[in-house]
Amino acid sequence: EAAVTQSPRNKVAVTGGKVTLSCNQTNNHNNMYWYRQDTGHGLRLIHYSYGAGSTEKGDIPDGYKASRPSQENFSLILELATPSQTSVYFCASGDVGQAPLFGEGTRLSVL
Amino acid sequence: GDSVTQTEGQVTVSESKSLIINCTYSATSIGYPNLFWYVRYPGEGLQLLLKVITAGQKGSSRGFEATYNKEATSFHLQKASVQESDSAVYYCALSENTNTGKLTFGDGTVLTVKP
Repeated sequence: EAAVTQSPRNKVAVTGGKVTLSCNQTNNHNNMYWYRQDTGHGLRLIHYSYGAGSTEKGDIPDGYKASRPSQENFSLILELATPSQTSVYFCASGDVGQAPLFGEGTRLSVL
Repeated sequence: GDSVTQTEGQVTVSESKSLIINCTYSATSIGYPNLFWYVRYPGEGLQLLLKVITAGQKGSSRGFEATYNKEATSFHLQKASVQESDSAVYYCALSENTNTGKLTFGDGTVLTVKP
């Protein structure tokens, strides 16, 4: 069964600390995405990738880095976490012509 | 850039009544975008509810329907008779017809169905 798995599901971080959110897909999709969703707002694209070794900036990339070491894995990295990055983060995978498949989300609180 | 507008942030409907959630869009590319409705049930992740990639076509799933209206640039979600289990957050989204598959989302509509 097609799946996108995110870890951790919940994370509490301190301001200035480093945070890594991980995403794994078993769908053999070329494209992967990281979105954030804030209360009362839709999802906004942070970074995406076309395949292993590639990362591209989305609409709100500032303060985030991404890494795609393999077809299956796509990480989102906050080098210096700030309270404004408190949010729910969604990873997704997809291919051309397909609706992206989303993970269950990671709730991040930066204190 | 692209944009998706959902005018209702919250909708409350009594069980067995009809529902419409409005969605309009603006896309920058020359071709017609792909249109989607996603749903997030309490405690769960985001799931695809339905998609339509051809202007003029209707998509349907789980009793919900949405018609791709290119003249009105709308993609309203409708259901004839809602159930309490339909309570969730509904997101309208579009993607340009490119290789990226990137989605632009509306702000979401919280649907509460009263028993």
